[in-house]
Amino acid sequence: GAVVSQHPSWVICKSGTSVKIECRSLDFQATTMFWYRQFPKQSLMLMATSNEGSKATYEQGVEKDKFLINHASLTLSTLTVTSAHPEDSSFYICSARGTGATQYFGPGTRLLVL
Amino acid sequence: RKEVEQDPGPFNVPEGATVAFNCTYSNSASQSFFWYRQDCRKEPKLLMSVYSSGNEDGRFTAQLNRASQYISLLIRDSKLSDSATYLCVVNPDNYGQNFVFGPGTRLSVLP
Repeated sequence: GAVVSQHPSWVICKSGTSVKIECRSLDFQATTMFWYRQFPKQSLMLMATSNEGSKATYEQGVEKDKFLINHASLTLSTLTVTSAHPEDSSFYICSARGTGATQYFGPGTRLLVL
Repeated sequence: RKEVEQDPGPFNVPEGATVAFNCTYSNSASQSFFWYRQDCRKEPKLLMSVYSSGNEDGRFTAQLNRASQYISLLIRDSKLSDSATYLCVVNPDNYGQNFVFGPGTRLSVLP
């Protein structure tokens, strides 16, 4: 149980385009989903926390207008990187939490902006 | 002081060795603690939760010392497949919000 999927697993796009990443909890309802970013050889950095049906809470330094998060249902959250630039290239990982404290991670999405 | 600190390593150990990692945290009110394992270019995967009484899962033993604010992970009889980065994770509450990740400790088990 506790499976989280992400789609796509990797994206290559041109600078200026927008990229949408989906995160789904497959076998449980996720009241809260989290979006992280990880640069090479660094630890995960929380970008934002989203609760179903409400606005996401962004961490300091993360632009909410650039990283749009929608948590439309208890099993789906989306992250849209708007007008992506090369510095946005990173490994984006979502996690989902059900009723307990444990977070279960999706397989991640590698974004490369050319 | 960082919220969660770990020795980044790398720890290079031979197969069969016992290796221990420590992690310290700064928020004394932290409620729950975890060890996650992250393989290269993969997502973190829960290895084990850490309980106050200490807990063991096969070759892995985790301990929590609240007074000194540190968590440990002991791996016995290490296997090649144990090579990974081990992330110490601290949660200030019991609701799974605001996981704080340590920088990770890299382990390489050598044949």
